Amino acid sequence: ILNVEQSPQSLHVQEGDSTNFTCSFPSSNFYALHWYRWETAKSPEALFVMTLNGDEKKKGRISATLNTKEGYSYLYIKGSQPEDSATYLCAVNYGGSQGNLIFGKGTKLSVKP
Amino acid sequence: NAGVTQTPKFRVLKTGQSMTLLCAQDMNHEYMYWYRQDPGMGLRLIHYSVGEGTTAKGEVPDGYNVSRLKKQNFLLGLESAAPSQTSVYFCASSSRRAGTGELFFGEGSRLTVL
Repeated sequence: ILNVEQSPQSLHVQEGDSTNFTCSFPSSNFYALHWYRWETAKSPEALFVMTLNGDEKKKGRISATLNTKEGYSYLYIKGSQPEDSATYLCAVNYGGSQGNLIFGKGTKLSVKP
Repeated sequence: NAGVTQTPKFRVLKTGQSMTLLCAQDMNHEYMYWYRQDPGMGLRLIHYSVGEGTTAKGEVPDGYNVSRLKKQNFLLGLESAAPSQTSVYFCASSSRRAGTGELFFGEGSRLTVL
């Protein structure tokens, strides 16, 4: 069974803190990794799609790195703001160009003002 | 900007009843997906479609049927609802296969089966 593990399960930080969390996955047959941001009562929205070992992507204060050889990705948020409060989902495709995504359980981030 | 729209948003069913969830997307996407979200679990793929007239089974297809008669619509049916199908259902679409194409999600449909 291919599992995508996310840690921590939840995280509470103060406004202005920088934070990061992890997505771990079996590295064999890796094809692509997605990060999604999911605010309560809204739909998940894509942050990044990453495919290459060593990839680094950035969107505003949020960035992500990918290590396909050791099977992990980090998501970083610099200077957290209350509006960053959300669940961050990681999903991995092992099935090549015709594969589907396997989702982790998410990391729930709460940012206190 | 409608994106992906799901109807209904909420529904309560009795065991054995049937219902259909409708997903509509206005982005001309080829690929569409139905997921379910249960407490303590990641999103799990129920069925998906790679184009009009096609459907395929995902990770947890039992008890569900789907149809994609029009490119913009993807229907999820429960023929005889069971309490185990109480869940939040998400539809998603993408312009490329989910491997490299980001998913665009609807806002979810909360289904309770009594």
